[in-house]
Amino acid sequence: EIVLTQSPATLSLSPGERATVSCTASQSVSGFLAWYQQKPGQAPRLLIYDASNRATGIPARFSGSGSGTDFTLTISSLEPEDFAVYFCQQRAGWPWTFGQGTKVEI
Amino acid sequence: QVQLQESGPGLVKPSGTLSLTCTVSGGSISSSNWWSWVRQPPGKGLEWIGEIYHSGATNYNPSLKSRVTISVDRSKNQLSLKVTSVTAADTAVYYCAREPVDFVGNFDYWGQGTLVTVSS
Repeated sequence: EIVLTQSPATLSLSPGERATVSCTASQSVSGFLAWYQQKPGQAPRLLIYDASNRATGIPARFSGSGSGTDFTLTISSLEPEDFAVYFCQQRAGWPWTFGQGTKVEI
Repeated sequence: QVQLQESGPGLVKPSGTLSLTCTVSGGSISSSNWWSWVRQPPGKGLEWIGEIYHSGATNYNPSLKSRVTISVDRSKNQLSLKVTSVTAADTAVYYCAREPVDFVGNFDYWGQGTLVTVSS
């Protein structure tokens, strides 16, 4: 099983600031890494797939980078609605696995 | 717009069987998509349970494989989940989700989730 480790666990920032979340895989996942956003009481929402591709309707302030074992989600300028929990997820091999989550808080 | 809706009992007794249904609307379950179940214990992270194709082909998480069955009913546009011998550790919000054709293994549409509590 591929283990995904996210850092930091919590990120305390203000609106307008830049957010950077990291995800490290226990073995190479090539570029098969996605990012999701989850708000309280809601299902996760797909933001980025295959490391750097924005999903339909996702604003340009969200970007992803990386390959192999090290990946980054960047939010260029935080909007109030961006304060949420972010998960990475790999589809390089079964079982599909998720990181433990990073909370972006004010 | 594809929509998914989970349904089923919110309370299951220990050692019993958890049974949930996911109804797909706005699209066909017989399309070229895989369909998954994902769960999230309260306040915790996400765990992939397994997936099914409309042909009936399945893949399961080895951590749950001995207790899980996922099936599909094409006539009702539904997929189902059964988890046997449940314990308190199976208490979670259960989601069904669609895997897009172009990047199987990711999840682009999700149900709103249903909380299942295992308790006597």
